Amino acid sequence: GAVVSQHPSWVICKSGTSVKIECRSLDFQATTMFWYRQFPKQSLMLMATSNEGSKATYEQGVEKDKFLINHASLTLSTLTVTSAHPEDSSFYICSAQSAADTQYFGPGTRLTVL
Amino acid sequence: DAKTTQPPSMDCAEGRAANLPCNHSTISGNEYVYWYRQIHSQGPQYIIHGLKNNETNEMASLIITEDRKSSTLILPHATLRDTAVYYCIVRVAGTSGSRLTFGEGTQLTVNP
Repeated sequence: GAVVSQHPSWVICKSGTSVKIECRSLDFQATTMFWYRQFPKQSLMLMATSNEGSKATYEQGVEKDKFLINHASLTLSTLTVTSAHPEDSSFYICSAQSAADTQYFGPGTRLTVL
Repeated sequence: DAKTTQPPSMDCAEGRAANLPCNHSTISGNEYVYWYRQIHSQGPQYIIHGLKNNETNEMASLIITEDRKSSTLILPHATLRDTAVYYCIVRVAGTSGSRLTFGEGTQLTVNP
């Protein structure tokens, strides 16, 4: 149990385009999901907290208009990187909070912007 | 959330117990200790968590000192697949949206 999936697992896009990443909790409902970013040889950095049916809460320094988050159901949150640039290339990871208050992580999405 | 201190790296022989320490001297009474691990290029995997009692599951054991200022994660019989970065995180549980703040963790290398 407690499986979280992400799609796609990797994506390569051109500079200026937008990319959508999906995060799904497969066997449990998650009122709250989180989005993290991880650069090479660094630890995970929280980008935003996503609550079902309401606006996401962004961490300081994360542009909400660039990283659009939608949490329309209890099993799906999406992160859209708008007008992507090479510096947005990173490993994006989501997590979903279970009813037992434990966060379970997805496998991550590797984004490369050319 | 309270900060944690972990050694940057540790080695362990395959088949032996791996004991990973974590200091959290400023932990508050309502903060839990969580352990996650991250194998290269994958998302973190939940291992175990506890408040003040020792905990055990199919993956590991968590030993928390009586004063709660430190803890040890024990992998009883380490395998090569346990090579990963292990993160010790303290977090207030029971609050919707309570965050996990990742530090640098401990790189555990299990050697054949």
